[in-house]
Amino acid sequence: EAGVAQSPRYKIIEKRQSVAFWCNPISGHATLYWYQQILGQGPKLLIQFQNNGVVDDSQLPKDRFSAERLKGVDSTLKIQPAKLEDSAVYLCASSRLGDVAYNEQFFGPGTRLTVL
Amino acid sequence: AQSVTQLGSHVSVSEGALVLLRCNYSSSVPPYLFWYVQYPNQGLQLLLKYTSAATLVKGINGFEAEFKKSETSFHLTKPSAHMSDAAEYFCAVSDEGGYNKLIFGAGTRLAVHP
Repeated sequence: EAGVAQSPRYKIIEKRQSVAFWCNPISGHATLYWYQQILGQGPKLLIQFQNNGVVDDSQLPKDRFSAERLKGVDSTLKIQPAKLEDSAVYLCASSRLGDVAYNEQFFGPGTRLTVL
Repeated sequence: AQSVTQLGSHVSVSEGALVLLRCNYSSSVPPYLFWYVQYPNQGLQLLLKYTSAATLVKGINGFEAEFKKSETSFHLTKPSAHMSDAAEYFCAVSDEGGYNKLIFGAGTRLAVHP
């Protein structure tokens, strides 16, 4: 089966610009996650969707970050305006359901964002 | 709050030597525990997981980990390192709030030299 797809793979922007990332999860996976991985740190969950509804966005900086999952399939994550500290790899993952014990999360290759 | 500590941000071993990557967790309830591997420019891949069955868990590529409740540890081992094991390894614990969220450690980069 095809894996989680993400685009673009790399993006360089100036601070205060906006940027969007796209994720296509594995077919049939109801749960979709966006993680932020800052250099030297582990991934941190930004937002979790179950179908097209938000389950957890407690760590999403809502003043500048937004995400949507239209029709419960593809998802986009947007940053507007970007700050220097947003430089990171943004990982998308999907799983059949949300219980982590019985539903493996499959990760995409990530989008590496550099904010200058 | 849940947390995961990985001792040693960098570990270097010789090919054929034992690999030991350390992970300690803090949790007030029995957690689920995971090890992931990340190769350069790739996403994370699940190596193995502990979900309250056997305390010694075997994973892919010859890795295994042992859950020790008394030590709040879940160290990852492999008897004999291979060059292809060079990667970054992340330990993760399930969130106390509902087992729908993973909390990751900072990662350990494993180097394998000839």
